[in-house]
Amino acid sequence: NAGVTQTPKFRVLKTGQSMTLLCAQDMNHEYMYWYRQDPGMGLRLIHYSVGEGTTAKGEVPDGYNVSRLKKQNFLLGLESAAPSQTSVYFCASTHTYEAFFGQGTRLTVV
Amino acid sequence: GESVGLHLPTLSVQEGDNSIINCAYSNSASDYFIWYKQESGKGPQFIIDIRSNMDKRQGQRVTVLLNKTVKHLSLQIAATQPGDSAVYFCAETTSGGSYIPTFGRGTSLIVHP
Repeated sequence: NAGVTQTPKFRVLKTGQSMTLLCAQDMNHEYMYWYRQDPGMGLRLIHYSVGEGTTAKGEVPDGYNVSRLKKQNFLLGLESAAPSQTSVYFCASTHTYEAFFGQGTRLTVV
Repeated sequence: GESVGLHLPTLSVQEGDNSIINCAYSNSASDYFIWYKQESGKGPQFIIDIRSNMDKRQGQRVTVLLNKTVKHLSLQIAATQPGDSAVYFCAETTSGGSYIPTFGRGTSLIVHP
């Protein structure tokens, strides 16, 4: 049972480049979330989804887009990467209050 | 919002001591509170939860206390072990919506052998 899998685990981007982070869960969870984690801070919600085909903005959505075309996948896109988007990104899924997290994607924008 | 710096609050304890990690939450409507443990290089992992209609819940070596009057949550770890070294986050969520966990800043627990 893989749980929540994030791809890739590490990435270095140049300013202005685009990329997509993939999150896949095999637990049939309705709710999925993308967070970013910066040094000395907790996890801040970027976007979330309450079901296939639905997405909504979280606390820090600017510069990111998301899609949930299939229930098991939640994609996070950066259209034009900026150094301020250097962070560790975590995806999570849940069916109630216990969230299951992926291992994270460490993104550096230079 | 809360002022944040580069460094998390840190609690250093000796192996075998009891640890108490505190957290303040903000939303009076939250009805579930969860503690997560995050080891270096990994995603947060669920430790224990407590519903808003309870004030104490015990697990294996861990106890969570909830004080709704002052919006305060604590995690007690008994007989702390080196493997308990990690960052601990409290999170609050509401059952009526999308179960979004809203995280506190976190506390770094360092256990010295």
